[in-house]
Amino acid sequence: RKEVEQDPGPFNVPEGATVAFNCTYSNSASQSFFWYRQDCRKEPKLLMSVYSSGNEDGRFTAQLNRASQYISLLIRDSKLSDSATYLCVVTGGTSYGKLTFGQGTILTVHP
Amino acid sequence: DTAVSQTPKYLVTQMGNDKSIKCEQNLGHDTMYWYKQDSKKFLKIMFSYNNKELIINETVPNRFSPKSPDKAHLNLHINSLELGDSAVYFCASSRGLAYQETQYFGPGTRLLVL
Repeated sequence: RKEVEQDPGPFNVPEGATVAFNCTYSNSASQSFFWYRQDCRKEPKLLMSVYSSGNEDGRFTAQLNRASQYISLLIRDSKLSDSATYLCVVTGGTSYGKLTFGQGTILTVHP
Repeated sequence: DTAVSQTPKYLVTQMGNDKSIKCEQNLGHDTMYWYKQDSKKFLKIMFSYNNKELIINETVPNRFSPKSPDKAHLNLHINSLELGDSAVYFCASSRGLAYQETQYFGPGTRLLVL
């Protein structure tokens, strides 16, 4: 079983749509959780951290369920510029600083 | 000013050659990393250094040797390159090793071994 699993998609949605991505992780000792965004042929960049209480940043909402070892990202009112690969990232457990990435979910927003 | 920079951006070389990739960060961070992104787009950590000390060595072949001359630099030397080494290599840095620290990635070095 992969340490971090995501539905690779691709998700193709029209502008203005709401889209949700899910992620599960296998290590119950994981400490911190993130969503990173990677544009085509670019480096990953932090989109947002994920907390058990849930957190929101504009059109983006992230949620963590530690009991189910499940992370989600909701994007409302999708924009063309949201087209990218969204990476679910987990850290903690045995090695400090080791980010474990999911394989990424590809999102394409079309006009 | 680029926060995390890597050189070269592209590297095309023959099997069996030895090559180096350089990474520099101007963020004043203590911790630096090397990641490999393969053709299936999976990003995996290779090494991390904290204050020039090796912290993570993630079962990477010993043909790969990281070197950290100071906190701001982490270079990657690869001996006897193989076809399977073709990938994008990303350098990253963070303030420290704490779990919640954000890692900032460089633009990547695209390595193609022929």
